[in-house]
Amino acid sequence: KQEVTQIPAALSVPEGENLVLNCSFTDSAIYNLQWFRQDPGKGLTSLLLIQSSQREQTSGRLNASLDKSSGRSTLYIAASQPGDSATYLCAVMPMDSSYKLIFGSGTRLLVRP
Amino acid sequence: DAGVIQSPRHEVTEMGQEVTLRCKPISGHDYLFWYRQTMMRGLELLIYFNNNVPIDDSGMPEDRFSAKMPNASFSTLKIQPSEPRDSAVYFCASSEIGLAGALAKNIQYFGAGTRLSVL
Repeated sequence: KQEVTQIPAALSVPEGENLVLNCSFTDSAIYNLQWFRQDPGKGLTSLLLIQSSQREQTSGRLNASLDKSSGRSTLYIAASQPGDSATYLCAVMPMDSSYKLIFGSGTRLLVRP
Repeated sequence: DAGVIQSPRHEVTEMGQEVTLRCKPISGHDYLFWYRQTMMRGLELLIYFNNNVPIDDSGMPEDRFSAKMPNASFSTLKIQPSEPRDSAVYFCASSEIGLAGALAKNIQYFGAGTRLSVL
């Protein structure tokens, strides 16, 4: 059974710092891995999607990497800003012919001004 | 497009009452997903539809939960009778998966959710 783990559960950093969020998964048979952002009281917004054949994806100050063999992904946020404060979730889509996403429990990020 | 639209945004009801949550997916999307989010269990998939047909309802917690998709632009999740442990945020998401080759690229677009409180 696929399990997704995110560490740390919470992170507080001063504005301007570069930071890394971690995601690990137990079964490497995945179609893709996605990083989402969730603001309080809001839905999830997709940030980056990495297909299983890819190693990384970049969008602005965000860079996500995928090491399928070791079951790991990282989300790198450069020059963090208070507006980056949110919960970040990673999710994998297993290769079991279902189109489910299996989510981690998220990392709650606070960027202090 | 306005995105995935869910209603109501908040629902407070008493134990034993019927609750109906509604979702309008993004036009043209062929997959619709219902999720539940709680502090204890995180985000869990309840059921998903492809072209209005339920494909996998293994995540539906019990018979009190049912979901329908009468047409491509509307879906409901019903709880009857509701219980306090059903209190959670329920999300609807839609995706355009289309051809099998596009599966790896699919992104799910989430609605803002319905916060349900059962007293």
